[in-house]
Amino acid sequence: AQKITQTQPGMFVQEKEAVTLDCTYDTSDPSYGLFWYKQPSSGEMIFLIYQGSYDQQNATEGRYSLNFQKARKSANLVISASQLGDSAMYFCAMREGPVDKIIFGKGTRLHILP
Amino acid sequence: AAGVIQSPRHLIKEKRETATLKCYPIPRHDTVYWYQQGPGQDPQFLISFYEKMQSDKGSIPDRFSAQQFSDYHSELNMSSLELGDSALYFCASSLAGGGYTFGSGTRLTVV
Repeated sequence: AQKITQTQPGMFVQEKEAVTLDCTYDTSDPSYGLFWYKQPSSGEMIFLIYQGSYDQQNATEGRYSLNFQKARKSANLVISASQLGDSAMYFCAMREGPVDKIIFGKGTRLHILP
Repeated sequence: AAGVIQSPRHLIKEKRETATLKCYPIPRHDTVYWYQQGPGQDPQFLISFYEKMQSDKGSIPDRFSAQQFSDYHSELNMSSLELGDSALYFCASSLAGGGYTFGSGTRLTVV
């Protein structure tokens, strides 16, 4: 069964608008971590934001915030004031336990339109 | 700040040849992970090492092997290469409970 689900294969958004990328996850482990990575066309995997399962507050990093709804097992990424350089593939990922590997969702390709 | 270093960045091999990919983790990180990302796919976990011992194994073909050396660098050895092995190979390192840092990847093309 898919542990990380990203239901939006592609999105088109006008520049300067806010974007929400959806991610739901499935785990029975009480200790887990959720990540968002950006992968531009050059291929590198760029870390954006992290949310721990015990964190009380939603994570924020500059224009990125993570809307963490634990009961719904949802970890949506919000990008405020989108820029052309935000066009990329975005992966949601999860780690179960403190040292386990991370597993990725299928990704959402985001296109920012001028 | 030091990052995860992967070499080479690009590699072209013929079918049935052997390839060796190298990964130098961030100093003091105790775990190294290898991932394979096919064209248009999400990264798939191959194998991991914790303190130089294999800690977990994913969908790694028997033709592939990996190890972590005393200086903590890791190598992924791939033999009898097939066209389907063409992919982006990532190495990542982490410290227990901390974040993961990915290298820039090695793009392997098998022709």
